[in-house]
Amino acid sequence: AQTVTQSQPEMSVQEAETVTLSCTYDTSESDYYLFWYKQPPSRQMILVIRQEAYKQQNATENRFSVNFQKAAKSFSLKISDSQLGDAAMYFCAYSPSGTYKYIFGTGTRLKVLA
Amino acid sequence: DAGITQSPRHKVTETGTPVTLRCHQTENHRYMYWYRQDPGHGLRLIHYSYGVKDTDKGEVSDGYSVSRSKTEDFLLTLESATSSQTSVYFCATQAGANTGELFFGEGSRLTVL
Repeated sequence: AQTVTQSQPEMSVQEAETVTLSCTYDTSESDYYLFWYKQPPSRQMILVIRQEAYKQQNATENRFSVNFQKAAKSFSLKISDSQLGDAAMYFCAYSPSGTYKYIFGTGTRLKVLA
Repeated sequence: DAGITQSPRHKVTETGTPVTLRCHQTENHRYMYWYRQDPGHGLRLIHYSYGVKDTDKGEVSDGYSVSRSKTEDFLLTLESATSSQTSVYFCATQAGANTGELFFGEGSRLTVL
């Protein structure tokens, strides 16, 4: 079965510091997408970053970057220079290419301390 | 943004009453989804649609039905609401199966008393 595991229900980081959120997944597929979505208190789900499995280079979006380890089936999110606006629930998600299917993790709540 | 709106955004209802949530999109995306979000469970797929009048069940479809008579509208119906269906419901769309990203609506909070 395809699963996504986020083992950290909650994390805290000081403003301006760096934090890493972990995500592991299980699949037998070779071609797929991985995503990190952010859900602030407004409830809106916002795409933070995405990674295509066939790309070896780790995706980056400004202060957000991932460490994609395909063999280990690991997809962690690093947030640099954390800001108060980064406080949110973060969901990791997996989707086999060419399908409708998305599997979400249970989320990690990130608190940013001033 | 994919222009996805959900209505109502908040609803309180009583056990046994029917409830319909509406999702409207303006992007002509082919795929539409209904998820529910509960603490400790992340997002779980209720139903999805891959075209007008083409729908299929997700992992938690019991007690729910859907309809899609137009590309832009995807309705989720709880025929007889139960307290276990108290949740936040999200609609999402995807342009095509190879495009990857899901676009989400703002969510609808449903409370069943």
